[in-house]
Amino acid sequence: DAGITQSPRHKVTETGTPVTLRCHQTENHRYMYWYRQDPGHGLRLIHYSYGVKDTDKGEVSDGYSVSRSKTEDFLLTLESATSSQTSVYFCAISETSGTYEQYFGPGTRLTVT
Amino acid sequence: AQSVTQLDSQVPVFEEAPVELRCNYSSSVSVYLFWYVQYPNQGLQLLLKYLSGSTLVKGINGFEAEFNKSQTSFHLRKPSVHISDTAEYFCAVSDGYSTLTFGKGTMLLVSP
Repeated sequence: DAGITQSPRHKVTETGTPVTLRCHQTENHRYMYWYRQDPGHGLRLIHYSYGVKDTDKGEVSDGYSVSRSKTEDFLLTLESATSSQTSVYFCAISETSGTYEQYFGPGTRLTVT
Repeated sequence: AQSVTQLDSQVPVFEEAPVELRCNYSSSVSVYLFWYVQYPNQGLQLLLKYLSGSTLVKGINGFEAEFNKSQTSFHLRKPSVHISDTAEYFCAVSDGYSTLTFGKGTMLLVSP
């Protein structure tokens, strides 16, 4: 299995509070991604990174920001959590952009009350 | 722009029966196609992929898929399913430059 960990694995927070999710990899892969998974929507890309300090927006980036200061860590921040951000969040990594085989972390279940 | 349509949200099947999960895509350029599987409370793992070459692709756990360019399809098949195949299956497409686009998933429910 690819070395990807996510923390925390579960979190309950209140509306309006900031939340940061962490993705850590030990594979030294260049690309890292954050997705959210919701019933009936599949996986939707929030943000991705193609190198240290290089990030770009995905399909559903509003309300989220990311940072990548080291190759191995990719942080997702909800500046002010809303109930619509209750979801399961997955981090993924890939070595190149050519084949796009992505390896997924175990997920973080976030509940915003 | 690229998109993926998984025509069935749920497919119930009996153990040892064959199954086909349907996937259609749209893309204006070359495509790379993937099937991922997600077991309950886990992340996604790659089942198989089509990058180029033979249109029949074999993956893990006895699954295979066929790339059909004229019908823009990449259907997943297994000749005989097991209870342990119960999971959600996602089709995904990439043009090799932009990011992966996933379908909404098909839940495969295998019963005895």
